[in-house]
Amino acid sequence: AQSVSQHNHHVILSEAASLELGCNYSYGGTVNLFWYVQYPGQHLQLLLKYFSGDPLVKGIKGFEAEFIKSKFSFNLRKPSVQWSDTAEYFCAVNEGSARQLTFGSGTQLTVLP
Amino acid sequence: GAGVSQSPSNKVTEKGKDVELRCDPISGHTALYWYRQSLGQGLEFLIYFQGNSAPDKSGLPSDRFSAERTGGSVSTLTIQRTQQEDSAVYLCASSSDGFGYTFGSGTRLTVV
Repeated sequence: AQSVSQHNHHVILSEAASLELGCNYSYGGTVNLFWYVQYPGQHLQLLLKYFSGDPLVKGIKGFEAEFIKSKFSFNLRKPSVQWSDTAEYFCAVNEGSARQLTFGSGTQLTVLP
Repeated sequence: GAGVSQSPSNKVTEKGKDVELRCDPISGHTALYWYRQSLGQGLEFLIYFQGNSAPDKSGLPSDRFSAERTGGSVSTLTIQRTQQEDSAVYLCASSSDGFGYTFGSGTRLTVV
């Protein structure tokens, strides 16, 4: 079965620091890749998604992610975090034509002011 | 509506009781999903409805769980004879293209 691994359970950064959250998946075929964010007290929101084409994907709020097929990775990055980026971040994958997503266990990001 | 609506937002029930959780998707979205989020864990897929096709029930953890979608719109997730391990946040999502999900705020279920 497909699995998604998020290496960091909790990341603590100071404002203006750079961010990289790791995501690896196990499926070897065609995949669609997603990052979702859940701000405190809010519902899950889509940050960005990759279906095909340019492996560097830009999303909302200055986030980007790079799909590296050879490493089965889709890491999330932001050059300079803000306090308002404090949230839980989930990587998700679906394989080929499947519609259901397999989610990672999430990374809690805390940004200190 | 403007978003995916779930009710109730919180539900406390006694072990052994049945519960029903409701999801009202975005109008026109043909795909509807139920997921479960347990404390400290990622989201676990439960069931998927697409139009008039038979639902994909492959994620339902036991036969105590069932779901239906009436008229291609509102969905109800039913858990019979609830157990403490059923305590979680139950999330509903809908999609127009099967890929770009919009999630609801979830129902927090606590079984005591």
